[in-house]
Amino acid sequence: DTAVSQTPKYLVTQMGNDKSIKCEQNLGHDTMYWYKQDSKKFLKIMFSYNNKELIINETVPNRFSPKSPDKAHLNLHINSLELGDSAVYFCASSQGLGGVGETQYFGPGTRLLVL
Amino acid sequence: GENVEQHPSTLSVQEGDSAVIKCTYSDSASNYFPWYKQELGKRPQLIIDIRSNVGEKKDQRIAVTLNKTAKHFSLHITETQPEDSAVYFCAASRWGGTSYGKLTFGQGTILTVHP
Repeated sequence: DTAVSQTPKYLVTQMGNDKSIKCEQNLGHDTMYWYKQDSKKFLKIMFSYNNKELIINETVPNRFSPKSPDKAHLNLHINSLELGDSAVYFCASSQGLGGVGETQYFGPGTRLLVL
Repeated sequence: GENVEQHPSTLSVQEGDSAVIKCTYSDSASNYFPWYKQELGKRPQLIIDIRSNVGEKKDQRIAVTLNKTAKHFSLHITETQPEDSAVYFCAASRWGGTSYGKLTFGQGTILTVHP
């Protein structure tokens, strides 16, 4: 009964490959997010979807493409992986639009290592 | 955009002592300030939050204070225990306009509580 889950947990791949990370939430939340946590532990938002609609799109390379097939799922596809993409990617969700007082619940993270 | 500065980057205390972590933010329109705790290898989890219309909030051994005029907020942990050892992140968000749920995180503070 995990609230926010991600697959895979670990991902090791070569430069230039294409990979996808999947996220699912069973909280009934309307909004889902992708965050990147770099090697210095810095957390930065990448994208946010509300009911399958993109609402936050930070300055992220075009190689990153999120997709939300329904409000319970948010996937992240990365093309032409680069060394600098190595990081932990966290999915999160919130009840509404992440307004004042709305907790964002994080998934367990996907540790991506690009060789 | 919003910028959040967090200090100190590392904090070492003895069990039973108090710990204080401070953050400053740049966007005077920010109105929600959550604190997240991230244990090693785990996901960030909300521990306490405060809204801009409140100056202080307490929850057992943790408290947060907010000074809107100075644009800074602090996390206070009293009677620290070894299980408080983790990375703590402050964050700020501005509800409204095109800033839906966009949390801007501080750089994180590694708290170590020595038995």
